Amino acid sequence: ETGVTQTPRHLVMGMTNKKSLKCEQHLGHNAMYWYKQSAKKPLELMFVYNFKEQTENNSVPSRFSPECPNSSHLFLHLHTLQPEDSALYLCASRSTGASYEQYFGPGTRLTVT
Amino acid sequence: GENVEQHPSTLSVQEGDSAVIKCTYSDSASNYFPWYKQELGKRPQLIIDIRSNVGEKKDQRIAVTLNKTAKHFSLHITETQPEDSAVYFCAASNEKLTFGTGTRLTIIP
Repeated sequence: ETGVTQTPRHLVMGMTNKKSLKCEQHLGHNAMYWYKQSAKKPLELMFVYNFKEQTENNSVPSRFSPECPNSSHLFLHLHTLQPEDSALYLCASRSTGASYEQYFGPGTRLTVT
Repeated sequence: GENVEQHPSTLSVQEGDSAVIKCTYSDSASNYFPWYKQELGKRPQLIIDIRSNVGEKKDQRIAVTLNKTAKHFSLHITETQPEDSAVYFCAASNEKLTFGTGTRLTIIP
């Protein structure tokens, strides 16, 4: 499955590190999303981009900084994270004009030590 | 905002039997209700969805029912098979998706 790709797949970082997660979609979609998936919690929407413009920031701490340079690429820049930020970070995309269906990437498993 | 509750959190079913997962939502403006299946270590994938103008939809062994008045919708899997074992998420959408907490379904051979 290559529609939505994410790198890296696994990441271990210290609380003082700075790292970035990357998402790329090859589906021609115009909306992209970041979700956080923690154990025993629902998928939490973090950010939404429509046509490269951020349309939603779901009260996410500023240590998470998204970037959407074009409709195909989405980044999540991480700095001074906390251990409770350890989770699976999922990217998704969809075509706002066609369907509500969101296509998910494989996720990045993040561990903050 | 929207609030989606999902039950049960875990479900074990004998192979061949049926499984039912139920969700309720709070926002009467929600008009799209997808169900996602997430196998261990894999991404969530859409398995079936329903719009608010339809009461029931079926795709082979999977069906979804929607009761707009009561604001609840359910996933029904018949003739369950071992490969149906996964975590299932419901969601409700009015522009953005709000997910339930998930149901871990285990099919017992």
